[in-house]
Amino acid sequence: NAGVTQTPKFQVLKTGQSMTLQCAQDMNHNSMYWYRQDPGMGLRLIYYSASEGTTDKGEVPNGYNVSRLNKREFSLRLESAAPSQTSVYFCASSEARAGNQPQHFGDGTRLSIL
Amino acid sequence: RKEVEQDPGPFNVPEGATVAFNCTYSNSASQSFFWYRQDCRKEPKLLMSVYSSGNEDGRFTAQLNRASQYISLLIRDSKLSDSATYLCVVNPKTGNFNKFYFGSGTKLNVKP
Repeated sequence: NAGVTQTPKFQVLKTGQSMTLQCAQDMNHNSMYWYRQDPGMGLRLIYYSASEGTTDKGEVPNGYNVSRLNKREFSLRLESAAPSQTSVYFCASSEARAGNQPQHFGDGTRLSIL
Repeated sequence: RKEVEQDPGPFNVPEGATVAFNCTYSNSASQSFFWYRQDCRKEPKLLMSVYSSGNEDGRFTAQLNRASQYISLLIRDSKLSDSATYLCVVNPKTGNFNKFYFGSGTKLNVKP
């Protein structure tokens, strides 16, 4: 009963490097999300996908791209990493058609940009 | 004004105490509300949904006050293991059902 799985769990990058964070869910949810969480701040939405084939910007999309590969998988890409992108990244999914179903989170990717 | 606001705390309480947190939301049309628990450096985990009539799950009780636009979480007989940050989440359900708004969290420390 995996739920939402994120890889990698930890990553250290140098400024300017690129990488992709992977997320997969096995709950057959339509909606998937990427958030970042910084110390003393709440979760901030980066991008979301309401269904396979669609993606939309959230509150803080600059510097990121996403791909909804299929219903299960939603990846987040940093094309040219910057120190300001040092954060904990959480992927979530929900059956959000009516907005009354909660989100389920993966256990996060801790990313440091040097 | 933030969509969702919470007192950051920390609330420091002894074991066995009863403690309550409130969370205010700005959009009066909001329809769905949730409480999550987040342990240090871990993912948020759903604690409970908040229904209009209020709901209880063991030692935890959630209430919704639409007139004053806040939700509350009451924890009775606090345990050491209740120490965590409690996040309030609101989904306005207007237009885009994928917009969930998170509070910054209220930190609870339960002491022996």
